[in-house]
Amino acid sequence: NAGVTQTPKFRVLKTGQSMTLLCAQDMNHEYMYWYRQDPGMGLRLIHYSVGEGTTAKGEVPDGYNVSRLKKQNFLLGLESAAPSQTSVYFCASSFEIGGSSYEQYFGPGTRLTVT
Amino acid sequence: KNEVEQSPQNLTAQEGEFITINCSYSVGISALHWLQQHPGGGIVSLFMLSSGKKKHGRLIATINIQEKHSSLHITASHPRDSAVYICAVIKTRGGSEKLVFGKGTKLTVNP
Repeated sequence: NAGVTQTPKFRVLKTGQSMTLLCAQDMNHEYMYWYRQDPGMGLRLIHYSVGEGTTAKGEVPDGYNVSRLKKQNFLLGLESAAPSQTSVYFCASSFEIGGSSYEQYFGPGTRLTVT
Repeated sequence: KNEVEQSPQNLTAQEGEFITINCSYSVGISALHWLQQHPGGGIVSLFMLSSGKKKHGRLIATINIQEKHSSLHITASHPRDSAVYICAVIKTRGGSEKLVFGKGTKLTVNP
């Protein structure tokens, strides 16, 4: 049982390049989330999904797109990377009961640098 | 003003001391999380609570919904407790729940 995994762990991009971050969970969780963590700021929600085929915007969605084609995977895409997207990205998942989410399980993080 | 405020920002303690970290929030919530982020970066959920008190080992979390305040206590602190402790609240909007995070409290426990 691997929990929540993220690929890759580190990446350096040049401005304008694109990339996709992959999050996978093997706990059959309905809810999945993408966060970014920047120095001096708390974790901020980028996008989230409440089930396969659904996505919704979080607090800081601009410059990112997501897809949840399979229940166990949640992809975060950067179409044209900018230096402001240099951050540590965390994926999380949680189960839900009656429409409420519960304890969130976090992946190990992806450190992205955009030069 | 942030919706979730933690205090103190930094805390240094000697091994064995009793530690309290505070979290105040300004919005209506359905529940509150306490998370621990290790020096290596990994994040672990410690508690989720919506009322009263929860205890796990040396960790105790309390919440007062009327006062919009929660505390995380660590009894008999140990250097391995050194980490960033993060408070997060669940704001319910239209049936989908989102976490709003505090900036964290960095705890250092010296031997």
